[in-house]
Amino acid sequence: DGGITQSPKYLFRKEGQNVTLSCEQNLNHDAMYWYRQDPGQGLRLIYYSQIVNDFQKGDIAEGYSVSREKKESFPLTVTSAQKNPTAFYLCASRLAGDTQYFGPGTRLTVL
Amino acid sequence: AQSVAQPEDQVNVAEGNPLTVKCTYSVSGNPYLFWYVQYPNRGLQFLLKYITGDNLVKGSYGFEAEFNKSQTSFHLKKPSALVSDSALYFCAVRDASGTYKYIFGTGTRLKVLA
Repeated sequence: DGGITQSPKYLFRKEGQNVTLSCEQNLNHDAMYWYRQDPGQGLRLIYYSQIVNDFQKGDIAEGYSVSREKKESFPLTVTSAQKNPTAFYLCASRLAGDTQYFGPGTRLTVL
Repeated sequence: AQSVAQPEDQVNVAEGNPLTVKCTYSVSGNPYLFWYVQYPNRGLQFLLKYITGDNLVKGSYGFEAEFNKSQTSFHLKKPSALVSDSALYFCAVRDASGTYKYIFGTGTRLKVLA
């Protein structure tokens, strides 16, 4: 899991609540990514950011929002508009090369 | 459209036997291919990658992968499986459009039996 931390490890959300997942890296990587993992579906890209103050939607951005105010941090907010948010969320970062490095993940459960 | 396929949901192999986890890809241009491993409730760990050069790529923990351009495959191999290799394995390809997006397969669960 290297120098990428995600918190919390487990998160519970009530219906209608927004929640924010934290992702921090001390690898000095420029690019950061958020993925959602569901059983049998692999990883699906939510948002990614190549540089500070810039980010792009991935394949399943609806119901999610992000910010990239600092190089080290890329928080993901799961809004109430996301109808099925229960999943395992993975953050990754990448330097100039092609390899992504992943954090340990946050498991979000809707109560 | 670019894609990655892992045709087997699960692979079972006896400890000490060779293992292969299959991956095929579809991408325009030169492929940038990756293998990752995931243990339960953990993030993905990088195993190896193919960018260019020798078709046989060696990676972490004794794993290697063979790039085959004509068959558009990038199968993961290990000569002698360990019980501790039991995990979920993902193949990925980097999007060739220059966006640095990555496309992941659906994963293959490897079970090594003692």
